[in-house]
Amino acid sequence: QVQLQESGPGLVKPSQTLSLTCTVSGDSISSGSYYWSWIRQPAGKGLEWIGRIFASGSTNYNPSLKSRVTISVDTSKNQFSLKLSSVTAADTAVYYCARYGGTTQKGFDYWGQGTLVTVSS
Amino acid sequence: SYELTQPPSVAVSPGQTARITCSGDALPKQYAYWYQQRPGQAPVQVIYKDSERPSGIPERFSGSSSGTIVTLTISGVQAEDEADYYCQSADRSGTYGVFGGGTKLTVL
Repeated sequence: QVQLQESGPGLVKPSQTLSLTCTVSGDSISSGSYYWSWIRQPAGKGLEWIGRIFASGSTNYNPSLKSRVTISVDTSKNQFSLKLSSVTAADTAVYYCARYGGTTQKGFDYWGQGTLVTVSS
Repeated sequence: SYELTQPPSVAVSPGQTARITCSGDALPKQYAYWYQQRPGQAPVQVIYKDSERPSGIPERFSGSSSGTIVTLTISGVQAEDEADYYCQSADRSGTYGVFGGGTKLTVL
């Protein structure tokens, strides 16, 4: 069974960098069949696609966040990470990591439970 | 930027059929996916590739596509189906993911 688990600080100060890690079990990021993605959801609002990374390290980012987002992968630890710089209160949200079928075209088939990140001084 | 448009809310009585639409210019070229999200929980996929149903999803969930509109249909709605539903797809090039704004399904 594939499982994803987000981890990282739940509180980040304005102007600082939000950093989260997603640990994958039950599948190998190196398999090359999937994109590993980040999605967020502010309280009471909809889902927002942040970006994705392939095992090779190639990335795609939401154009609205591109200047502040970096997604990286550590295949040795079977983890991928999100960094979002210069955060403001508008970045307060539940952040999800998820597996997205590339060659399978099965969409987001596995999700982490989500982690709440609050931006506040 | 590319957008997917959903109605904010849909309400049906138990046993009736609920239909939730999602429109987007790139939908004729890109597959659509549907996710159910109950309060406080992560989304769960209910439809992939426009009309395929993942294992474990009840048969009452179905999807269809026609031009720039895709539709999630829930036949014989049950109280447990009350949730937010999101469509998801990609831009015309397939580079960027995008979610619809979500539809709150209320079971009366």
